[in-house]
Amino acid sequence: AQTVTQSQPEMSVQEAETVTLSCTYDTSESDYYLFWYKQPPSRQMILVIRQEAYKQQNATENRFSVNFQKAAKSFSLKISDSQLGDAAMYFCALRSGEKVIFGPGTSLSVIP
Amino acid sequence: EAEVAQSPRYKITEKSQAVAFWCDPISGHATLYWYRQILGQGPELLVQFQDESVVDDSQLPKDRFSAERLKGVDSTLKIQPAELGDSAMYLCASSPGNSGANVLTFGAGSRLTVL
Repeated sequence: AQTVTQSQPEMSVQEAETVTLSCTYDTSESDYYLFWYKQPPSRQMILVIRQEAYKQQNATENRFSVNFQKAAKSFSLKISDSQLGDAAMYFCALRSGEKVIFGPGTSLSVIP
Repeated sequence: EAEVAQSPRYKITEKSQAVAFWCDPISGHATLYWYRQILGQGPELLVQFQDESVVDDSQLPKDRFSAERLKGVDSTLKIQPAELGDSAMYLCASSPGNSGANVLTFGAGSRLTVL
């Protein structure tokens, strides 16, 4: 069975500071992909960043980067220079085979 | 920019009534997903289509829920009869294929309130 766990229901960060959101997962597959999705208060889910499990290099997208620890099955998201528009629910997702499953989410607040 | 269209955006119904949601994926996307998202939780997969075929409906409560994608394009999710516990956001997503790095593109969702 595949599982995705996000142990931080809520996080907050000061504007312009850095925050890290945690995610752990479990899968028996060797070929899989990991994603972070953002769901702003308007509720439409959008992709933030993705990571191929076979790549050792951590993915980066502008202010967003991941720390992928394959052996530990850990996939954390770092947001640098946090902005007010980063306030949202963040979901970690695992695609293994045909199925895509999501974690329970972390609610991020950005303090001006 | 191509979008996943969903309707209605909001639906209020009384329990025991029937309700239907519609989704039109991005053109050319073979894989279509219906997720249910209870407030404050992550999306839970209800059903996944590859073209017109169901790939996974293991979490779909088949006694009251049904889903179809007859021509492999748009899709309808139906609930009959609706129960109080069905109140949630119903999200539709599509992707070019059903494996690998294929990224899901989500619609805005349909929020259901059952009274």
